[in-house]
Amino acid sequence: QVQLVESGGGVVQPGRSLRLSCAASGFTFSTYGMHWVRQAPGKGLEWVSLISHDGSNKYYADSVKGRFTISRDNSKNTLFVQMNSLRAEDTAVYYCARGKGQYYDFWSSSLWGQGTLLTVSS
Amino acid sequence: QSALTQPPSASGSPGQSVTISCTGTSSDVGGYNSVSWYQQHPGDAPKLMIYDVSNRPSGVPDRFSASKSGNTASLTVSGLQAEDEADYYCSSYAASNNVVFGGGTKLTVL
Repeated sequence: QVQLVESGGGVVQPGRSLRLSCAASGFTFSTYGMHWVRQAPGKGLEWVSLISHDGSNKYYADSVKGRFTISRDNSKNTLFVQMNSLRAEDTAVYYCARGKGQYYDFWSSSLWGQGTLLTVSS
Repeated sequence: QSALTQPPSASGSPGQSVTISCTGTSSDVGGYNSVSWYQQHPGDAPKLMIYDVSNRPSGVPDRFSASKSGNTASLTVSGLQAEDEADYYCSSYAASNNVVFGGGTKLTVL
């Protein structure tokens, strides 16, 4: 079954760190670019980060640059985002999403997980 | 990385057509043919409806069409059905390897 399953969300205090994971199955993970996209409660979608299929290229939204690090383990079909110096405004559902096509055809996303909720609050 | 501009709401009666706009700049919508549209029902993950300005993934009804003129992209839903009621988001590749989303449009089927 082709799917993405996020995990690792929860409640964390401002200034602390957290790592989210996204487990992929049913497709050749190592040939797809992967995104993190977030959605604050009641708000719209916000792109967070993108990593190329082989991890050689990583891109970030200005709002998270320097605080978040995207990575992947193709041997374990898993995507990560390490989030440091968390702020209240990082509170959101975090989705992982697969690029539409293989390799560098990744500027749209054709497969999404169900998301994991991160709440940053003291 | 400013968000693309969408109307907050749109509506139409069953069977009618409705068009949702998405306005950006020459650094995103106007400069690249990488505009996508997503549908999101409450509590669900987004679903890709259109990619590369006007292409439909397999399984998306041909009632959904899209185009672009200058810095504005548009999504048209023809023959509105009750299940089309959802939030719709546009997105675009933006200069310097970014992705930018629109603020979303809530489509109501009257």
